[in-house]
Amino acid sequence: KAGVTQTPRYLIKTRGQQVTLSCSPISGHRSVSWYQQTPGQGLQFLFEYFSETQRNKGNFPGRFSGRQFSNSRSEMNVSTLELGDSALYLCASSSNTGTGTEQYFGPGTRLTVT
Amino acid sequence: AQSVTQLGSHVSVSEGALVLLRCNYSSSVPPYLFWYVQYPNQGLQLLLKYTSAATLVKGINGFEAEFKKSETSFHLTKPSAHMSDAAEYFCAVNTGFQKLVFGTGTRLLVSP
Repeated sequence: KAGVTQTPRYLIKTRGQQVTLSCSPISGHRSVSWYQQTPGQGLQFLFEYFSETQRNKGNFPGRFSGRQFSNSRSEMNVSTLELGDSALYLCASSSNTGTGTEQYFGPGTRLTVT
Repeated sequence: AQSVTQLGSHVSVSEGALVLLRCNYSSSVPPYLFWYVQYPNQGLQLLLKYTSAATLVKGINGFEAEFKKSETSFHLTKPSAHMSDAAEYFCAVNTGFQKLVFGTGTRLLVSP
């Protein structure tokens, strides 16, 4: 089975622009979660989608948004980029809704905001 | 709120030595705990998980972890370190649905 894929792998944007990141989960997985990883804040949960519905959201400003499509692929969008949004954005997929279900991570998208 | 604390941002061992990475959790309910590893410029790879079925959990690459409720700990061990184990390790707790709360990570350095 193919793993979680994320595109693009690297991205450079200018402050004030917006960006869209894409995540394709493992085939059959219906839950997709997004995380932000920075040296200062570590790994932080952004949001989780299941069957096109956002079920859980982290403590991020409204500039961060996401969606999930009927094929379980997910996108996240960051509007009005700030320098502090520079980070590795990780997507993870999971096979079901159980709290103990493991999540499988993609390689991440490295976003640099200049 | 559920959380995990990793003691030691860096751990150095010699090849062949015991690896011990520490994780303590805070939870008022039985926790679902995970260990992940991250190699440079890569995503997170699941090493093992605890879901109350057994207190000693065996994972991939020879790693294992023991859940100790009395000590609120879930430390990761490997009997003999290999150079390829050099990476950053994260302990995490699932706080509901698929939300993982991660520790700050421990970088494992392995010297020949």
